[in-house]
Amino acid sequence: DAEITQSPRHKITETGRQVTLACHQTWNHNNMFWYRQDLGHGLRLIHYSYGVQDTNKGEVSDGYSVSRSNTEDLPLTLESAASSQTSVYFCASSDPGTSYEQYFGPGTRLTVT
Amino acid sequence: DQQVKQNSPSLSVQEGRISILNCDYTNSMFDYFLWYKKYPAEGPTFLISISSIKDKNEDGRFTVFLNKSAKHLSLHIVPSQPGDSAVYFCAASAQGGSEKLVFGKGTKLTVNP
Repeated sequence: DAEITQSPRHKITETGRQVTLACHQTWNHNNMFWYRQDLGHGLRLIHYSYGVQDTNKGEVSDGYSVSRSNTEDLPLTLESAASSQTSVYFCASSDPGTSYEQYFGPGTRLTVT
Repeated sequence: DQQVKQNSPSLSVQEGRISILNCDYTNSMFDYFLWYKKYPAEGPTFLISISSIKDKNEDGRFTVFLNKSAKHLSLHIVPSQPGDSAVYFCAASAQGGSEKLVFGKGTKLTVNP
């Protein structure tokens, strides 16, 4: 069955370190998205991509970057982790032009100390 | 400025009764709406959606109602079951746009046995 996976599921890192969160989907979807979920804020869009070599900034993109070298993967990089980036991160994908429904991964809980 | 608002952070209902979750939006360009359900430590899962050309969509125990003039939608769950206890997110998108979703902050539903 097609799925979307995220790794690691839990990560503790120190302030100032670079961190990369992985997202891999086997739906063959062109659209991929990264969100963060924080108490009192719901889900906020960080970056998104409509296909290979395409990346776009979302609502809360400062301090984050993404790259899309193939259809299956959209890694999220925190260039220099800050305590304000402690959050739960979700990756999602969707099939453009057929449905606005996005399929979400299980999430990565990141703690920056 | 919050474009999708879920003004009730929490809702508690008795098993077998109706649960009504509300969502308001401010952007008149939104014309597709979705509800997601999220259990702890899991990613959000798609529940039901509605296009702006409809005012009601039903799927089993779940019905979504859309009032475009009031920019309001609601999710009805009848009858409510303890397994429905979760956080429910309302999301909206503008067709012909970027296929991004804008999420509300969520409502935590608790169904008591």
